Amino acid sequence: AQSVTQPDIHITVSEGASLELRCNYSYGATPYLFWYVQSPGQGLQLLLKYFSGDTLVQGIKGFEAEFKRSQSSFNLRKPSVHWSDAAEYFCAVGDNDYKLSFGAGTTVTVRA
Amino acid sequence: DSGVTQTPKHLITATGQRVTLRCSPRSGDLSVYWYQQSLDQGLQFLIQYYNGEERAKGNILERFSAQQFPDLHSELNLSSLELGDSALYFCASSVQQGISGNTIYFGEGSWLTVV
Repeated sequence: AQSVTQPDIHITVSEGASLELRCNYSYGATPYLFWYVQSPGQGLQLLLKYFSGDTLVQGIKGFEAEFKRSQSSFNLRKPSVHWSDAAEYFCAVGDNDYKLSFGAGTTVTVRA
Repeated sequence: DSGVTQTPKHLITATGQRVTLRCSPRSGDLSVYWYQQSLDQGLQFLIQYYNGEERAKGNILERFSAQQFPDLHSELNLSSLELGDSALYFCASSVQQGISGNTIYFGEGSWLTVV
């Protein structure tokens, strides 16, 4: 069965510092991978997705993610964090072409 | 704004009651998905419809049911509610029925509190 692990429950980062959120997946075939962000009281917004091709994927809001098949990882990065990036981030894998399986999420706190 | 509209945004009801959550997908999207987000279970896929037909079922309880109407809006019916059904229910939509090459857009969710 497919699954997603986000090892970090909570990360605190200073404004202007870099951010990396880890995501490991378990899936037998070529995975479809996603990162979503959920701001307080908001829905899920798609940051970026990987289906195939270039393993470095650019997303919105200055985020990027790198697919590493050998490590079964799809880590999310941002070079310089803004206070508005404080939110919960979810990694997801698409399985059976119908549903997304989400990780437990990583809460990001940005300190001034 | 994703274009997916969910109503109501908040709902408080008593145990044993029945509620209906409504979802209007983005214009042109034929596929609708329902997800449940709770503290103990996280984000869980419930069910998917494509152009009015059920396509996939996830961890949806028998007390829950859904349907997609000819105008493509969808309703999630939750009955015999229990305290543990308190959660944020998301609707999502996409043009196609599969994940491949597809983008799924989520609404802002319906907060259900069962007291």
